[in-house]
Amino acid sequence: DVKVTQSSRYLVKRTGEKVFLECVQDMDHENMFWYRQDPGLGLRLIYFSYDVKMKEKGDIPEGYSVSREKKERFSLILESASTNQTSMYLCASSFLRQGLNYEQYFGPGTRLTVT
Amino acid sequence: SQKIEQNSEALNIQEGKTATLTCNYTNYSPAYLQWYRQDPGRGPVFLLLIRENEKEKRKERLKVTFDTTLKQSLFHITASQPADSATYLCASHQAGTALIFGKGTTLSVSS
Repeated sequence: DVKVTQSSRYLVKRTGEKVFLECVQDMDHENMFWYRQDPGLGLRLIYFSYDVKMKEKGDIPEGYSVSREKKERFSLILESASTNQTSMYLCASSFLRQGLNYEQYFGPGTRLTVT
Repeated sequence: SQKIEQNSEALNIQEGKTATLTCNYTNYSPAYLQWYRQDPGRGPVFLLLIRENEKEKRKERLKVTFDTTLKQSLFHITASQPADSATYLCASHQAGTALIFGKGTTLSVSS
């Protein structure tokens, strides 16, 4: 079975702190994604990566950065956390075949609260 | 811009009935559509993928259809059970890049 793990299930940080969220997948997937999910807004893509050291902006990249130094690991960084970044953060991975993305496998999520 | 929409936020049905959820897309022609299930506080779980040249796909009590004329996918759960209560998301790719997701329909099955 595909396994996607996230470093924390719950996290509480103070405004202005630098926050690292880590995601690891064990299926040798090329693609990895970071989403945030908020009530009424659905899943919104922050960043994604097709390969090591490659990254693409999603729909809401402002205030975030990412790092992919190894194929299995994708990190989301909040450079200076703000209260409007309180949210559920979901990592996902998938194969890339014939230029199209296939089904995504999600981690359990990290509920981040910024106070 | 490309959009994928699930018109119903919530659907309430009785146990044993068939639940039908709708997903509509506009301004593009996706090569496939996907359906996911999400339980509260958990990540979405992939259920089914249907390609544009497939009219229908089944998996146990689940059935998905893809109508390129109506620009719509229907997701059916037959003989629904309280354990089917969850939020169901449809998704598709946008111009060959990442997936875009609908906001989901929350299904409640009462016994």
